[in-house]
This record gives sequence, C-alpha cells and structure tokens, in this order.
Amino acid sequence: EDQVTQSPEALRLQEGESSSLNCSYTVSGLRGLFWYRQDPGKGPEFLFTLYSAGEEKEKERLKATLTKKESFLHITAPKPEDSATYLCAVQINQAGTALIFGKGTTLSVSS
Amino acid sequence: GAVVSQHPSRVICKSGTSVKIECRSLDFQATTMFWYRQFPKQSLMLMATSNEGSKATYEQGVEKDKFLINHASLTLSTLTVTSAHPEDSSFYICSASPTARGYTFGSGTRLTVV
Repeated sequence: EDQVTQSPEALRLQEGESSSLNCSYTVSGLRGLFWYRQDPGKGPEFLFTLYSAGEEKEKERLKATLTKKESFLHITAPKPEDSATYLCAVQINQAGTALIFGKGTTLSVSS
Repeated sequence: GAVVSQHPSRVICKSGTSVKIECRSLDFQATTMFWYRQFPKQSLMLMATSNEGSKATYEQGVEKDKFLINHASLTLSTLTVTSAHPEDSSFYICSASPTARGYTFGSGTRLTVV
C-alpha cells in the first residue's frame, strides 16, 4: 500500500533555530514529491516539487531535498511567519492522478 | 498562475439539509478535479475524482449517494453533501491539475452541521 509518513507531528522552534522536517514514502512508481504549506482554515499553498533522487530546491529560508526513500524540508533561521503546517504529498504512476498526502508537521516558531 | 476558487469558505447547516460547495478553475480548463476531506490534525483524504462530462470516481468508503459530484463544465465542479449529519462536519478542499505535474488547491470549505 502506498504510504507517506511525516515526522515529527509537531515542532516548536525559537526564531533563528534551524531544523528539518522529514517525509518518508513507500510508493510504487513515484512521479513527483510535493511540499505544501497550509495555514489554519486555508487550502494548501504550493512550495516545491521534486522529481528524482538527489534533486534539491530552495525558496527563501526553505530547502527541499529528495532521496529514494525520503524527503527533507530544511528550514534555516525560521521566523514566526513560517509557523504553519507543512504537508508532503506524492504523485504516483500516471500523470493527472490525485496526490497522496502525509499527515503533516505543524511548525510553531516563537520570537 | 493557475487559480482555483472555492465557495463558500464556511457554511453552517442543520442536520438533514443539503449543502453545495463550488470549485471553479479561473484561468485554465480542468478536465479533472479532486475532492478531499480533512479532519482536524489529519491528512487530506481523497474522496473522489471528478471528470468533466462523466461520472465521478469515488474512493472506497465514500458514499456516492451522500456526496454528489457534478462536473458539468471544464471550469466548474460541485460537491453536494446531501442529508448532512454532524459527522459530515469537516474541511472540504478541491484541487485541479493545470499541468501534468502541477496541482493547485482551493481555499477550502469549513462545513459545520448542527
């Protein structure tokens, strides 16, 4: 069964304290791995897509990496406005199929 | 960028009534839309895949007679929760794929059944 597992479930950081979120996956035929940010009561906001092991992408304080079994979202010197739930999702097999989501990691950054 | 507009953002209804949620693709044509449900502190769970001009495909355990999906045009899909009960209270989110590898999401609808 295709599965996406995120850890930790919740993470509390001080402003400026860097850390990483993990997304491990067990799927058949990975086409792409997606990272989204979700604020309370809102829909997911796209961050990154990774397609192959070794790929890395960066956006401001965020950097996503991908291996054959997992992905990491590194947060460098976070700010309070980075507080949100970060969702990992995978697209498998065919183009246009629905994403399979992990449960997310809720990040709280205090000043 | 591709935008999906979802309405309403919040709705409260009485038990036994029906509620319709709309999802529109504003600047692209969506032959396929996805409907998800999210319970507090849980993942987005796929409910159904909506295909323009044909019947929706429902995930196992989702009652198709309760969650009616209509995708009558390339820019509009609707989800109607029929005879809603308190256990249907949840956050419903639609999504479309404007490109082969891209996905965009609506802003979600918070349904509360009282």
